[in-house]
This record gives sequence, structure tokens and C-alpha cells, in this order.
Amino acid sequence: KNEVEQSPQNLTAQEGEFITINCSYSVGISALHWLQQHPGGGIVSLFMLSSGKKKHGRLIATINIQEKHSSLHITASHPRDSAVYICAAPRGGNQFYFGTGTSLTVIP
Amino acid sequence: GAGVSQSPRYKVAKRGQDVALRCDPISGHVSLFWYQQALGQGPEFLTYFQNEAQLDKSGLPSDRFFAERPEGSVSTLKIQRTQQEDSAVYLCASSLSQSPPDTQYFGPGTRLTVL
Repeated sequence: KNEVEQSPQNLTAQEGEFITINCSYSVGISALHWLQQHPGGGIVSLFMLSSGKKKHGRLIATINIQEKHSSLHITASHPRDSAVYICAAPRGGNQFYFGTGTSLTVIP
Repeated sequence: GAGVSQSPRYKVAKRGQDVALRCDPISGHVSLFWYQQALGQGPEFLTYFQNEAQLDKSGLPSDRFFAERPEGSVSTLKIQRTQQEDSAVYLCASSLSQSPPDTQYFGPGTRLTVL
């Protein structure tokens, strides 16, 4: 069993749709990271959050530490949002458990 | 920009060859990580440096894998006698502080294909 589970694994949406990606984890953590990986391998850190909600542009991340669950929302999705979204939970020593990722494709 | 850079971006090796993958972290970043990412999977931890010290190499899959960071900046991941199962994207990441958790900045990766 993976310490970090994401759903769905694959997601296809029409441009403009509201998108939700879920992350559940089984380890005790103080913060969770959401990462974006574009084709070609580059990974960008989107959010690091420890409670409540954070918003950056059209991206919103929420976390419930007690329920060990986090969600990443994309409002008014656009084809350039197409990427793999990965949640990552710290495992100590500055290392992370990574989810397997959600591959998002936004169709024009 | 002054992000994490990796070279080469793509490497094709014949089975049995040795390869060396280079990572240039962000200047001043103390921590450096190597990850292996198989197709369709999330990154898997390989090894971790704090400055020049390799503090954790528990993720290295075999003794064919060796990493070094002799001066606490540039790091090299070496794979000896490559096998087909070594084919993956190798990601390097760096972070500023020694205290977890801290945002890791990832390089573009090196895609290794072993024929």
C-alpha cells in the first residue's frame, strides 16, 4: 500500500471545467506539497500547505490534517493546465512520499 | 534563470555501459536529492546530500548506483553496467535549508534509455 494515494489517475476535461484532484495519505505529517509536472519531466512546486486553504490564480488547494486528505482544484481549466499533478508528503530528513500522480488533459 | 539544471537531458546507453548524470543545484542550496521516475509513476527517492555529506542512500537500488557531491554543489549520479530496468527519468532536486520540510526545486530530469 502506498503511503500517499491520489485519485483519479487520469482525468480528461473540457476547457472551462472545474477540476478536482484528491490526495489521501496514511502517514502523520505537518504539511503537504502539490507539484505539477509537465511533459519532459520538469517539476514545479505549486503549494505547500499545513492547514485550511491556499489560492494561487486559478489553483486552490485545501487540506484536512485530521482526515489526512487534501484536494487540488482548478477553476476555468485551460489546455495549458494539462500536466501530471503529484501530491507529496514529507517523510522526515527532508524526504518525501510521492503519490503516483494524476494525469490531466484539458481539451480545447 | 538560476534553477536546477541537469545534463544530459537524454541519454541512450547500451546494456552494460556506465553512465554519469550531472546535477547543478540552485546556488546556495544545502540539500540535494536524486529521484528515479519510471514511466507513469511518481518519483522514487534514491539518495540525499546535505552539503557534501551523503546522509541517506537507502533508495539506491543496487551497488551499481553511486552518487557524489564532493564540493557540496554539483552532484553526479553514476550507474555502472547499466541494465534495461535502469531506464527511467532521473530527477535532481535541491532545497535551501537543512530543516524539513522545505520546498524542493526540481531539475528537468535526464531521460535514460538502456537498450
